[in-house]
Amino acid sequence: GAVVSQHPSRVICKSGTSVKIECRSLDFQATTMFWYRQFPKQSLMLMATSNEGSKATYEQGVEKDKFLINHASLTLSTLTVTSAHPEDSSFYICSAGLGTLVGEKLFFGSGTQLSVL
Amino acid sequence: QQQVKQSPQSLIVQKGGISIINCAYENTAFDYFPWYQQFPGKGPALLIAIRPDVSEKKEGRFTISFNKSAKQFSLHIMDSQPGDSATYFCAARSGTQGGSEKLVFGKGTKLTVNP
Repeated sequence: GAVVSQHPSRVICKSGTSVKIECRSLDFQATTMFWYRQFPKQSLMLMATSNEGSKATYEQGVEKDKFLINHASLTLSTLTVTSAHPEDSSFYICSAGLGTLVGEKLFFGSGTQLSVL
Repeated sequence: QQQVKQSPQSLIVQKGGISIINCAYENTAFDYFPWYQQFPGKGPALLIAIRPDVSEKKEGRFTISFNKSAKQFSLHIMDSQPGDSATYFCAARSGTQGGSEKLVFGKGTKLTVNP
């Protein structure tokens, strides 16, 4: 199947610093990528939809100035957690769709565990 | 209306048994229902999916049963194996074509298959 690569897999940072997470579709072009947040033993919460060449669409309650999303090419989307605080510690997962219908055959990255000290 | 309710929260099955996970939804505009399998520390992986015009779909040991009138769908894992131990999420797609589609996930079911 299609491969979505996410880096880094784990990051530990000090409070107040910014962290960038990359999501790449390795063998297909993804016009739309999604960013999720997952707390321990919880479901995936959609944070934003990232569209290539345009601004991301954020879900209600997600701070767009804190979670900066850039989708510069058809194979790369980045999530930057700005001025991270301990409450931002979470498992962040990206996904990219293969096919004409978004959401169909959605492939996920392996996730990034962010720990803010 | 955007919720997908999943049960049970956890499930323990003996090797060789049948694992059944259920999901229910309210939004009749949902048009695609995938199931995902997630191992600890990993992203979810698509397991099997169904559209509402089909009542059942089978892929190997995994079967989705879909009841459109009841707005329910379920995942059946036949001959469950210890390697199937993972968290399973049902999901539903909302929105219309044109880029506004997104998946709504259930809260997950942690499956443990005992040897």
